[in-house]
Amino acid sequence: EQQVQQSPASLVLQEAENAELQCSFSIFTNQVQWFYQRPGGRLVSLLYNPSGTKQSGRLTSTTVIKERRSSLHISSSQITDSGTYLCAMDYNAGAKLTFGGGTRLTVRP
Amino acid sequence: EAAVTQSPRSKVAVTGGKVTLSCHQTNNHDYMYWYRQDTGHGLRLIHYSYVADSTEKGDIPDGYKASRPSQENFSLILELASLSQTAVYFCASSARYAEQFFGPGTRLTVL
Repeated sequence: EQQVQQSPASLVLQEAENAELQCSFSIFTNQVQWFYQRPGGRLVSLLYNPSGTKQSGRLTSTTVIKERRSSLHISSSQITDSGTYLCAMDYNAGAKLTFGGGTRLTVRP
Repeated sequence: EAAVTQSPRSKVAVTGGKVTLSCHQTNNHDYMYWYRQDTGHGLRLIHYSYVADSTEKGDIPDGYKASRPSQENFSLILELASLSQTAVYFCASSARYAEQFFGPGTRLTVL
């Protein structure tokens, strides 16, 4: 069974601290996407990063295909960054995503 | 950004009843998907489609049917709703091998 493991499961930061979220895959993939979700909310696509490094504002994702992992770096965290971050991969080259369990981020003032 | 809408946004159904969830996208995407989200199971793929009038089974298709009458519309059908199908359902769309865009979700409660 294809699996996506995310770590840590939860993370508490003080405002302005940086965060590093990790995602590892049980098999090789060519499609990695990071999402953000507030409780009860929709999934918001943050970064689509099949390989290499991509940046969007304070977010930087690095995907190393041969090591079957991807990371999401959040710089200068804000209280509004609180929520769940989900990593997903396509395991069958058919655009079907398998999701990790998520990292619940809490940013405190 | 891509536009994916879902209806209804929430629904209460009775056990054994029929439920239809609808999804509409205006992105001109070929691929559409239905996922369910549960506490403890995360997000899982139910059905997907890559062309109108054709659907494919995802990872957990049992108890669900799907219909893709046009490129823009994709429905999820629960012929006999059960308690275990209480969940939040998300629709998504994408181009082939590309970023997926999600709708706002439908909260389904089966009593």
